[in-house]
Amino acid sequence: GAVVSQHPSWVICKSGTSVKIECRSLDFQATTMFWYRQFPKQSLMLMATSNEGSKATYEQGVEKDKFLINHASLTLSTLTVTSAHPEDSSFYICSARGSGYIYNEQFFGPGTRLTVL
Amino acid sequence: GQQLNQSPQSMFIQEGEDVSMNCTSSSIFNTWLWYKQDPGEGPVLLIALYKAGELTSNGRLTAQFGITRKDSFLNISASIPSDVGIYFCAGRTSTHGSGNTGKLIFGQGTTLQVKP
Repeated sequence: GAVVSQHPSWVICKSGTSVKIECRSLDFQATTMFWYRQFPKQSLMLMATSNEGSKATYEQGVEKDKFLINHASLTLSTLTVTSAHPEDSSFYICSARGSGYIYNEQFFGPGTRLTVL
Repeated sequence: GQQLNQSPQSMFIQEGEDVSMNCTSSSIFNTWLWYKQDPGEGPVLLIALYKAGELTSNGRLTAQFGITRKDSFLNISASIPSDVGIYFCAGRTSTHGSGNTGKLIFGQGTTLQVKP
């Protein structure tokens, strides 16, 4: 149980283009989803928190117009990196949290490696 | 802001040895979690701790929630090559079942390498 998937697992794009990353909870309903980015040899940095049907809450320093988050259903959240630049290259990981004793914890997806040329 | 100090930063051990790592904070947490991250993958939840003093095992892994609620440790017994990876502690101030509305604060990670 508590399986979270991400798609794509890796993506290479040209500078200036937009990239969409999907995060799905496969066997539970995620009332809250989180988006993190991770640079090599570093810890996870929370970018934003989203509740289904509500606007995402962004962490300080994260541009909401650049990192668009949509949590349209209880099993799907998307992160769109708009007008990507090389400095946006990173490992993006989503996390989902459901309800009930077992699923009321953060379970992570496998991550998406974004490389911007 | 809240910070977690995780140590050691890295460990290189022989297969079969026991491993211990810990996290400390100046703040009180009501939830402690331990995750393992393999290269190129997302973190996988190993153990969740919700009560001060709680000692929980998951196979060869044992973790404890410090009585002061400001620390936690993770032990791995009889290490094997597949234990290689980065281990993260994470703390949260909200209690389990209260909606877990708090954010997770992550430690810097402990990189474990096991020599066969």
